[in-house]
Amino acid sequence: AQTVTQSQPEMSVQEAETVTLSCTYDTSESNYYLFWYKQPPSRQMILVIRQEAYKQQNATENRFSVNFQKAAKSFSLKISDSQLGDTAMYFCAFMKLNTNAGKSTFGDGTTLTVKP
Amino acid sequence: EPEVTQTPSHQVTQMGQEVILRCVPISNHLYFYWYRQILGQKVEFLVSFYNNEISEKSEIFDDQFSVERPDGSNFTLKIRSTKLEDSAMYFCASKSATGREKLFFGSGTQLSVL
Repeated sequence: AQTVTQSQPEMSVQEAETVTLSCTYDTSESNYYLFWYKQPPSRQMILVIRQEAYKQQNATENRFSVNFQKAAKSFSLKISDSQLGDTAMYFCAFMKLNTNAGKSTFGDGTTLTVKP
Repeated sequence: EPEVTQTPSHQVTQMGQEVILRCVPISNHLYFYWYRQILGQKVEFLVSFYNNEISEKSEIFDDQFSVERPDGSNFTLKIRSTKLEDSAMYFCASKSATGREKLFFGSGTQLSVL
């Protein structure tokens, strides 16, 4: 079974600054995907960024980037130039590759507050 | 971008009543899921559905729960006899068959059991 751990229940950052959210996971699988989801107060689940484990290059989506360390089983999210709209709960998630189930395992989440 | 649609957005029910939560996955997707999130807690997997049958389910998904794809577009979650602890946000999700492993989530149904 997979586990996902987010060790920071809450974080805050000043607008325009950079913040890094931590995520570690445990798995015996070699092929998998990792995700960061954003959940604003509306509780919609919004995919922020995705990383395929077989890719060495870290994924980047505009102001969002990850630091994927496969050997260490670490998958942190960096948000650059933080904006007030980034205030949300952020979930790290794991999915095995190419199974009929394809279920995702989520971490407990990190509540991020961007302060003006 | 195509969306997963869930109805209703809010459902209030009495303990012991049956509820059906409805989802319309993206039309060309073949894998369907239900997740739930109790307020303030993590998102938890309930069940996955592929090729008209359950492919995996969690311990939460006991005999009180069932899923169905009654036609080519809808995917439903039924709770036969609701309990107070079933109060949660229920998310439907779907993904296509062709890899890239991207889950598309609906906006959720908030179920309140009184």
